[in-house]
Amino acid sequence: EPEVTQTPSHQVTQMGQEVILRCVPISNHLYFYWYRQILGQKVEFLVSFYNNEISEKSEIFDDQFSVERPDGSNFTLKIRSTKLEDSAMYFCASLLTAHPGFTGELFFGEGSRLTVL
Amino acid sequence: AQTVTQSQPEMSVQEAETVTLSCTYDTSESNYYLFWYKQPPSRQMILVIRQEAYKQQNATENRFSVNFQKAAKSFSLKISDSQLGDTAMYFCAFFPSGNTGKLIFGQGTTLQVKP
Repeated sequence: EPEVTQTPSHQVTQMGQEVILRCVPISNHLYFYWYRQILGQKVEFLVSFYNNEISEKSEIFDDQFSVERPDGSNFTLKIRSTKLEDSAMYFCASLLTAHPGFTGELFFGEGSRLTVL
Repeated sequence: AQTVTQSQPEMSVQEAETVTLSCTYDTSESNYYLFWYKQPPSRQMILVIRQEAYKQQNATENRFSVNFQKAAKSFSLKISDSQLGDTAMYFCAFFPSGNTGKLIFGQGTTLQVKP
């Protein structure tokens, strides 16, 4: 069964360092997302990406964050200068937008746990 | 703006018993999608069940079923014959109509199944 893959599964970094989280969405999906979950809290939307540009972003997604799709498969989230409060689980997800077959279901990767020291 | 509310931060149930998790949402749309996701300690997001708003029939998946009340904007999850492996955080989520948009999550309910 197709799946979304994320790397790394866990990254520890020092405050102020740059971090890149990588995702490989399902190949025929066209809409991509990053979500964040601070431990024990709700899952928060960061950004959606479609047709090689940001479709929507939340207030959390400030200038420290960026996303890109450098090739036909990878979808990355970059945090330029990490803060302690960036420590969280980051989930990548993809969505099949084509009809028929649209279900509204996002397919999630297993997450990348980021720890900022 | 759409919102999703789960009013039960924590719940517990005895193994083999039935438990119902509550969820309400707010939207002005007539068609949309509703989901329940399970997040075990591994923190993976696992789809439990899906409901399309234009379908009146409540969705069921084995031991999991929903009570979808569109007029009341309520979408509860019933877990029958609870098993220890059902222990997890459960999130209710909303996706708007059309084929783009974002999934909006509730705050989550932590379910503990006791032996």
